[in-house]
Amino acid sequence: RKEVEQDPGPFNVPEGATVAFNCTYSNSASQSFFWYRQDCRKEPKLLMSVYSSGNEDGRFTAQLNRASQYISLLIRDSKLSDSATYLCVVNPNRDDKIIFGKGTRLHILP
Amino acid sequence: ETGVTQTPRHLVMGMTNKKSLKCEQHLGHNAMYWYKQSAKKPLELMFVYNFKEQTENNSVPSRFSPECPNSSHLFLHLHTLQPEDSALYLCASSQDGNRNSYNSPLHFGNGTRLTVT
Repeated sequence: RKEVEQDPGPFNVPEGATVAFNCTYSNSASQSFFWYRQDCRKEPKLLMSVYSSGNEDGRFTAQLNRASQYISLLIRDSKLSDSATYLCVVNPNRDDKIIFGKGTRLHILP
Repeated sequence: ETGVTQTPRHLVMGMTNKKSLKCEQHLGHNAMYWYKQSAKKPLELMFVYNFKEQTENNSVPSRFSPECPNSSHLFLHLHTLQPEDSALYLCASSQDGNRNSYNSPLHFGNGTRLTVT
């Protein structure tokens, strides 16, 4: 299994729909998890941290499943401005190196 | 948002040139990073500095030379690059690069898009 794996997409979703994508990780001792958003030709920006109990920020919900070693991101009532690449980020326990997934491309269709 | 600023935004250089990328963070963070992002590849960590000390060199060729004069500034010196080095180079910082601190997210600069001709 790759260290961090994401479905590259693209996910083409109509505006207003709900979309979810997962990210799997290989190191069971991983400590912290994040979702980043990256717009075309721009830098990644932190979207939200992922907490063990799950957390919500407006239309976005992040969840962690340690048993199955994946995190998920749910976007409700999607907006055109949600179109971007979503990067899964995992911080393993063994050293300082944070690992990025390749990203999932999301296109919200009008 | 100007927490982490990088210059230049775009750079075109020949294979025999020497140039430097600059990064400055205004967030009071202790760790700074250089990442490379090529098309269709995940972000690749190049270098990590914690409290001005280099703690990670991810098998980066010597034609890339980092410099961290203080915890707010980071440079990447480039010389005799190859066309395959063309990519987006991202600087990032985090609150604490301590091995025991895992919850500090990275804050990225807007990157330097480098083209090597």
